[in-house]
Amino acid sequence: ETGVTQSPTHLIKTRGQQVTLRCSSQSGHNTVSWYQQALGQGPQFIFQYYREEENGRGNFPPRFSGLQFPNYSSELNVNALELDDSALYLCASSLEGWEGAYNEQFFGPGTRLTVL
Amino acid sequence: GQSLEQPSEVTAVEGAIVQINCTYQTSGFYGLSWYQQHDGGAPTFLSYNALDGLEETGRFSSFLSRSDSYGYLLLQELQMKDSASYFCAGRGYGQNFVFGPGTRLSVLP
Repeated sequence: ETGVTQSPTHLIKTRGQQVTLRCSSQSGHNTVSWYQQALGQGPQFIFQYYREEENGRGNFPPRFSGLQFPNYSSELNVNALELDDSALYLCASSLEGWEGAYNEQFFGPGTRLTVL
Repeated sequence: GQSLEQPSEVTAVEGAIVQINCTYQTSGFYGLSWYQQHDGGAPTFLSYNALDGLEETGRFSSFLSRSDSYGYLLLQELQMKDSASYFCAGRGYGQNFVFGPGTRLSVLP
């Protein structure tokens, strides 16, 4: 059983550019969530995908978008990057089926995005 | 809206017991989870309370009182490796997961 992986580990972009972050969920998990974590703060929920469809979204603008694929991988896309987008981006996979399992999320190591 | 509050820092010595409190305000709520995050690492799941009461997992226990919108994480027999940030998290309406701001635990020798 492989854990959650993310790529790249680090990324540097300039303001206005676009970025795609990737996540490979734990095998068998049908749900993936993406979070933004600023230094010294708790993770902020961006959105969640269940069976390739978005089924929950936090307070993030539409320039944050995502995809989930049948092979359990997913992407987070951010357009028109702003300086405040600099953060650690975490994906977490879980198995939707019953409440307890859903609440146990398995996090990847994250992608550190720096916007200059 | 949904929000959770935790103390920002807690300090304790090895072998001691420490309690990290979490209060929440939410218009809809489906239980409380706890996660541990070491510096530079990813959050890891510790426990989940769907119902009121105490859940025990080894040295860690978690408690929830939905009538008081309150929960806590209890860490016993503290070890140096327990030094980390601890987050409470709740799931609200719309599948939204809300994390608290985190409590930084420092375990001293």
